[in-house]
Amino acid sequence: GAVVSQHPSRVICKSGTSVKIECRSLDFQATTMFWYRQFPKKSLMLMATSNEGSKATYEQGVEKDKFLINHASLTLSTLTVTSAHPEDSSFYICSASISHTGELFFGEGSRLTVL
Amino acid sequence: QQQVKQSPQSLIVQKGGIPIINCAYENTAFDYFPWYQQFPGKGPALLIAIRPDVSEKKEGRFTISFNKSAKQFSLHIMDSQPGDSATYFCAASRALTDKLIFGTGTRLQVFP
Repeated sequence: GAVVSQHPSRVICKSGTSVKIECRSLDFQATTMFWYRQFPKKSLMLMATSNEGSKATYEQGVEKDKFLINHASLTLSTLTVTSAHPEDSSFYICSASISHTGELFFGEGSRLTVL
Repeated sequence: QQQVKQSPQSLIVQKGGIPIINCAYENTAFDYFPWYQQFPGKGPALLIAIRPDVSEKKEGRFTISFNKSAKQFSLHIMDSQPGDSATYFCAASRALTDKLIFGTGTRLQVFP
């Protein structure tokens, strides 16, 4: 199947700093990428839908100024957690949709720990 | 209407058993129903998916049964193995390119 790469896989930061997570589709072009958040032993919660070249669409309750999403190319989307706080600690997962089929593939996830 | 209800929350079977995980939805606009497998600390991986125009789909040891009138679908794992121990999520979307709504997950443990 198609490969979606996320980086970094783990990140620890101090409260108040910003953290950027990258999501890349390695062998296909992804018009649409999705960002999810997952708490331990819980389901995936969709945060936002990212379309290349346009503003992201955020789900209700997700702070767009806190979670900045940029989809600058057909193979890269980034999530920046701004002014991170301990409650932002979570597992963040991206997924990318193959442009011509719509099939969805997930990255390996990024574990964020805010101290 | 956007929810996908999944049960059971956890499941324990012996090797060779056939665990069954069930999901139900309300939104009749849903048109795509995938199942994902997730190991701890990893992202979900697509296992198998079905569209409403078929009642069953089989890929290897994994089978989806789909009941459109009841708005339910289920995953059966034949000849389960300890390596199948993982969390399984059902999901639904209005179209292949639309956002996925995930079920709550089922933690499966297969004992030797």
